[in-house]
Amino acid sequence: AQTVTQSQPEMSVQEAETVTLSCTYDTSESDYYLFWYKQPPSRQMILVIRQEAYKQQNATENRFSVNFQKAAKSFSLKISDSQLGDAAMYFCASRLSNSGYALNFGKGTSLLVTP
Amino acid sequence: NAGVMQNPRHLVRRRGQEARLRCSPMKGHSHVYWYRQLPEEGLKFMVYLQKENIIDESGMPKERFSAEFPKEGPSILRIQQVVRGDSAAYFCASSLGLAPDTQYFGPGTRLTVL
Repeated sequence: AQTVTQSQPEMSVQEAETVTLSCTYDTSESDYYLFWYKQPPSRQMILVIRQEAYKQQNATENRFSVNFQKAAKSFSLKISDSQLGDAAMYFCASRLSNSGYALNFGKGTSLLVTP
Repeated sequence: NAGVMQNPRHLVRRRGQEARLRCSPMKGHSHVYWYRQLPEEGLKFMVYLQKENIIDESGMPKERFSAEFPKEGPSILRIQQVVRGDSAAYFCASSLGLAPDTQYFGPGTRLTVL
């Protein structure tokens, strides 16, 4: 089984600043995928970024990047130049690669962006 | 290309009634997944379906819950004799194939049981 832990229920960042959201996971598999999803007040789940475990290079999508530490089973999300529209719940999720289909989600981190 | 569509967006039922939630996957997607989100929680996997087949329903309660994905039409999540504990947001996702294909989520259906 895979478990995903987000230890920060809430985080706050000022507009234009940088914030890092933490995520750790537990799996016995060597091949898997990791994701960050954003859930704004509309409750729509939006994929922010994904990382393949076999890739050493950290994934980047514009202002969003991850710090993937496979040995430590850590997968943090860094948001640079934070914008008011970044305010949302952020969920970390994992999924096995070969036969996996179920996403395993953490409990989420609520991000507040202040002007 | 339209995204994953779910309806209704909000559904109110009284205890003992039936709830039917619908999900139309993205065009060309034949894999459908249902997740449930309880208040203050992350999403929990319920069931995975392909056309006319339930592949994995290990996350679905054994009683009162059922799901289908017919050859024609949307996927349906059906909850019989609803109880207050069924109140949650139910999300549908679809993918083109299995891993590494990304799952794209619909806007969810918020079920409230009175």
